[in-house]
Amino acid sequence: DVKVTQSSRYLVKRTGEKVFLECVQDMDHENMFWYRQDPGLGLRLIYFSYDVKMKEKGDIPEGYSVSREKKERFSLILESASTNQTSMYLCATSRDRANSPLHFGNGTRLTVT
Amino acid sequence: DQQVKQNSPSLSVQEGRISILNCDYTNSMFDYFLWYKKYPAEGPTFLISISSIKDKNEDGRFTVFLNKSAKHLSLHIVPSQPGDSAVYFCAATYNNNDMRFGAGTRLTVKP
Repeated sequence: DVKVTQSSRYLVKRTGEKVFLECVQDMDHENMFWYRQDPGLGLRLIYFSYDVKMKEKGDIPEGYSVSREKKERFSLILESASTNQTSMYLCATSRDRANSPLHFGNGTRLTVT
Repeated sequence: DQQVKQNSPSLSVQEGRISILNCDYTNSMFDYFLWYKKYPAEGPTFLISISSIKDKNEDGRFTVFLNKSAKHLSLHIVPSQPGDSAVYFCAATYNNNDMRFGAGTRLTVKP
């Protein structure tokens, strides 16, 4: 079974802080994704990566950056947290590009005050 | 602009009856569709999928139907069980590209 681990379940940060959300997977999957989930909007793609040191913008990359220095780890960075980034953040992986289902972590509920 | 739409935020059905969850999409390039199920405090888990070359895929109590001309798909759960109560997300992808999700439908199955 694929295990996708997000380092924190709940996080409270202040406006303007730099925030790191960590995601680690143990199945050697090439692809990793960061989504945010908001009521009425579903899951929206922030960034994704198909390989180490590679990153691509998703639909809502503004205010975020990512880092993938190792295959198993994909970090989401909020350079200067704002209240509109309060959300549930979900990391996901997939085996390859060809119609593979995503495997999700349990999410990080981030509150920015 | 949401390319995948689930217009019903919630659905309530009686145990043993059929649950039908609907999903519409706007991008005719989508060629693979998936349903995910999400319980509170957990990440979504993959439930069932269908390729655009098919119009039906069945897995136990779960069946997904695809109507390409209408850009519509639906998930049927028969018979519904209380353990099926969750939020269901429809998702779509094309050309091995990244996945787009709908807003989700909260299903409640009453005993």
